Amino acid sequence: GQQLNQSPQSMFIQEGEDVSMNCTSSSIFNTWLWYKQDPGEGPVLLIALYKAGELTSNGRLTAQFGITRKDSFLNISASIPSDVGIYFCAGPRDNYGQNFVFGPGTRLSVLP
Amino acid sequence: GAVVSQHPSRVICKSGTSVKIECRSLDFQATTMFWYRQFPKKSLMLMATSNEGSKATYEQGVEKDKFLINHASLTLSTLTVTSAHPEDSSFYICSARWGRYGYTFGSGTRLTVV
Repeated sequence: GQQLNQSPQSMFIQEGEDVSMNCTSSSIFNTWLWYKQDPGEGPVLLIALYKAGELTSNGRLTAQFGITRKDSFLNISASIPSDVGIYFCAGPRDNYGQNFVFGPGTRLSVLP
Repeated sequence: GAVVSQHPSRVICKSGTSVKIECRSLDFQATTMFWYRQFPKKSLMLMATSNEGSKATYEQGVEKDKFLINHASLTLSTLTVTSAHPEDSSFYICSARWGRYGYTFGSGTRLTVV
């Protein structure tokens, strides 16, 4: 089945630094979703990407749909303490988009 | 819009008892809802797809008699963990589909079986 890998698995950064993480797939996707999960909470959708090459921003977050359609990138600029959490990428498991497969997540820690 | 409410947020139960978790779409109709399980420091693992008015579709390896799913209305799906055991302790999260690719998640339920 489809598998997603995320890199890095975890990262520790200083407040104010920029963050980059990526997600790769074993197969082509037509949609990429990026979620953030705070401890003890459900994931919250950050950005959705629908077209290869698409670059979409949401505040300090920017995500890109890779042109190979097998990868996606998420960048966070000028990190703040509330950016702490786990960031998951997700892609549809089938052509109908009935449900999604999630990557293993990137755990972000922000040091003051 | 597209809010999903999940209850309870935390539950502790005795081994052998059953626990029901509710997932409600508050401001939209959800013909399809999904139930996930998440182990500590792990990603979300899809357990089953809940379809309004029909039987749920379970992922391979998920016991349907252990995890009963009912989706009786367009706004409510329930997951009942029957005869719970300590190994069922986990974080359970529901999500509902809205629009083409919109998915919104509940806030999760932490189940502890003692």
